[in-house]
Amino acid sequence: DSGVTQTPKHLITATGQRVTLRCSPRSGDLSVYWYQQSLDQGLQFLIQYYNGEERAKGNILERFSAQQFPDLHSELNLSSLELGDSALYFCASSVEGTGTSINEQFFGPGTRLTVL
Amino acid sequence: GQSLEQPSEVTAVEGAIVQINCTYQTSGFYGLSWYQQHDGGAPTFLSYNGLDGLEETGRFSSFLSRSDSYGYLLLQELQMKDSASYFCAVRSSGAGSYQLTFGKGTKLSVIP
Repeated sequence: DSGVTQTPKHLITATGQRVTLRCSPRSGDLSVYWYQQSLDQGLQFLIQYYNGEERAKGNILERFSAQQFPDLHSELNLSSLELGDSALYFCASSVEGTGTSINEQFFGPGTRLTVL
Repeated sequence: GQSLEQPSEVTAVEGAIVQINCTYQTSGFYGLSWYQQHDGGAPTFLSYNGLDGLEETGRFSSFLSRSDSYGYLLLQELQMKDSASYFCAVRSSGAGSYQLTFGKGTKLSVIP
């Protein structure tokens, strides 16, 4: 158990719909990262938040957005869903600082999204 | 942009040694990490190399050559439970940003 929680575990929805995925980082971690994992694309970095502010952006579609709240939990919003958005969505957290610990990201169990 | 290359599949015998290579092209390179992911599970951190050389953690070792943009993960005394996907990941630059770019993963199958 990494200490990172994600809800829901599974989500089945239809094209055109909007969903929200939720992530709670490990206690004390200020950074949250979102990744999308599909069979053909591997683990793709979407976005990073640090202490409530957006820190880095990867291959995130305009239909997707995220935010980090004052209690440090984060939500990833996916809208106008398409079949190709079906994937595993992982949240990870890390501690800021010096030393090797900052290089380790702790991943949650993921949310499996199926768009029908 | 960043790109990483690693073999898609490797098969090895229980008790043997296997090496998974990773080559990368990136700007602002800070270090190379390795993650393990079992089917249906989450990636878990294995090791990190920020400097050239070998890092050893139990049965696993990781090596980095920054001049060659190359690294590898070495797994010794293979066990059946080591069957999983292994990802190399580059930590890229950015003030305060610890963004990781992952390779597509190497599926390791350990056979009796």
